[in-house]
Amino acid sequence: AQRVTQPEKLLSVFKGAPVELKCNYSYSGSPELFWYVQYSRQRLQLLLRHISRESIKGFTADLNKGETSFHLKKPFAQEEDSAMYYCALRPSGGYNKLIFGAGTRLAVHP
Amino acid sequence: DAMVIQNPRYQVTQFGKPVTLSCSQTLNHNVMYWYQQKSSQAPKLLFHYYDKDFNNEADTPDNFQSRRPNTSFCFLDIRSPGLGDAAMYLCATSATQYQPQHFGDGTRLSIL
Repeated sequence: AQRVTQPEKLLSVFKGAPVELKCNYSYSGSPELFWYVQYSRQRLQLLLRHISRESIKGFTADLNKGETSFHLKKPFAQEEDSAMYYCALRPSGGYNKLIFGAGTRLAVHP
Repeated sequence: DAMVIQNPRYQVTQFGKPVTLSCSQTLNHNVMYWYQQKSSQAPKLLFHYYDKDFNNEADTPDNFQSRRPNTSFCFLDIRSPGLGDAAMYLCATSATQYQPQHFGDGTRLSIL
């Protein structure tokens, strides 16, 4: 079965602390992985995708096929990072279907 | 400069009364998607249009239909809403089947 698991509903950290939002997936092929973010009162928007291998707003994520994980990391959290974060998987081949995790709310405290 | 626009933001309907949610886009994207997101759950794809071709997910209830009269507009019709259909409905678009999806603000549907 194709599934994305985000084990933490809420992650609460202080400003300047490192952040790791966990994402594990279940898929037998070679998926494409994404992180989407939703700031308060804003729409869901793409943060980064694994094939780009880029850092966006200080966030990075590495696809670990052995552990079937795609954790999102940032070395020093900022208050403006507070948002809902969704990990998503797109199965290989076929159409652009996204399978989302249930999301993790990141709260960064001053 | 919203590019994927959903109307209305909040919709209240009665149990069993048909309701239509609207999505429009200014991106001229070929693909449009409808997702359902229930409280504290992951967004779940209901169906999508690739141009005029409609693609239904296998587990989407028959109660849910969609129309895409032109490139810019796509509608979600719920024929006989039940209490379990109360959710946030998200519209998204992508230029092609392989490009990232752009989301609207969503319509929150309540059923009385």
